[in-house]
Formats: sequence, C-alpha cells, structure tokens
Amino acid sequence: GAGVSQSPSNKVTEKGKDVELRCDPISGHTALYWYRQSLGQGLEFLIYFQGNSAPDKSGLPSDRFSAERTGGSVSTLTIQRTQQEDSAVYLCASSLVAQQGTNYGYTFGSGTRLTVV
Amino acid sequence: AQKITQTQPGMFVQEKEAVTLDCTYDTSDPSYGLFWYKQPSSGEMIFLIYQGSYDQQNATEGRYSLNFQKARKSANLVISASQLGDSAMYFCAMREGLLTDKLIFGTGTRLQVFP
Repeated sequence: GAGVSQSPSNKVTEKGKDVELRCDPISGHTALYWYRQSLGQGLEFLIYFQGNSAPDKSGLPSDRFSAERTGGSVSTLTIQRTQQEDSAVYLCASSLVAQQGTNYGYTFGSGTRLTVV
Repeated sequence: AQKITQTQPGMFVQEKEAVTLDCTYDTSDPSYGLFWYKQPSSGEMIFLIYQGSYDQQNATEGRYSLNFQKARKSANLVISASQLGDSAMYFCAMREGLLTDKLIFGTGTRLQVFP
C-alpha cells in the first residue's frame, strides 16, 4: 500500500482482556518497528523486526507483550491481560534497511489508541 | 543515562521568525544518525531531516536545518521563517551504529507559533 496501515485506529478494552494490534507496512520495507507513546510523552521503543533476523525485543515492557511478523510483512502486537498503564498510542513504522549510515527514515502509521478501562 | 535529551518542553515563536529546538545525544559509537520528526496534533509522525555522523556539512531541507556540533554532541533543529502550521511536537531521535535501524527518541519539544 501507499503507507503504513494500522488497525484498529481506536480500541477500548476492559482490564484483564487481551488485545491484538495490527500493522501493515509499506510493501518492500524490510524493517518494521513498534513504539508506544503515552499521553504527552516521547516514543518508547518496543520491538524491531529486520528481514529474517531474530527480532530485537529489548523494549518490550513485560512478558504480557509479544509481537510477530508473518511472511516478512504484516505484524501483530499482542498485549495479554491488559492493565490501565498499557493505555497509550501504539505506533508502527517501517523502513528500508539502513546501509552504511544512509538515511532511510521511518514511515509511521497513524497509530492505534488503546484505552484500558 | 539519557541517549537523547531535549531540554525544552515548550517553545513559543512569532510567525516569520526563526526558532532553534535543542537536542543533545550520548553515544560512544562513531557511526550514528540523527533525525528530527514533527508530530502535529493529528498524531502522525513526519520525518523532517537527517544528519549522519560522518557528514561534513549540516543537513538542510527547505526551511529546516540541523546545526550539528559533533564535539558538543548536539543536533539542534533550526526552523526559519516560522509558519502557523509549524505548531507541533518535535522529536529528536538517534540511530546508533550502521547495522541497526532502531531509533531512540527524545521526549520532545512542543512548538507554538503565534501570529
């Protein structure tokens, strides 16, 4: 597609329920990233997929969070047993791979606003 | 230690004036890239400008320029001739090393342009 597509755009869930957030990156982009942005805050890195390499999961805040990327394209971020502190905007981005420091800026999706009540 | 520090939570500038948004970074890797993104109230993240650690000249993109001072580890964004539409959050970010695309973001600066 023309841009990074995220769904749903808004999600309200009850505390304790599981949620799945979807990201469809730009076709041909080999790298995919998930970030979290709490109200009025910066972007917190969650996880990064690059081609067939093992994902960099160093930013996942707890084992309730997991993500997968199927077929090198669509990614799903799953949050189990949601808590109120999980409420945030979850942003997905994709890019071409960085090569020798060249600039391949991210293209971000519009985000999923998650509210846990 | 913070990798990316933006010390100005908010800035005001009058339309048509220039404004500088500060960013300092911390890395021991000689290869890195620095980015600025704009986030309007609509929420999308818009890439503005990039500076590589080996670039000899400061990056420029239209009204945006990056004042890169490597020894001081600063990468300030300069917006010339501010417009009302420049009102937004601005984030500085860094990519460390040549083999990763992961960006670390600062906490942002909210810029408000007034007539």
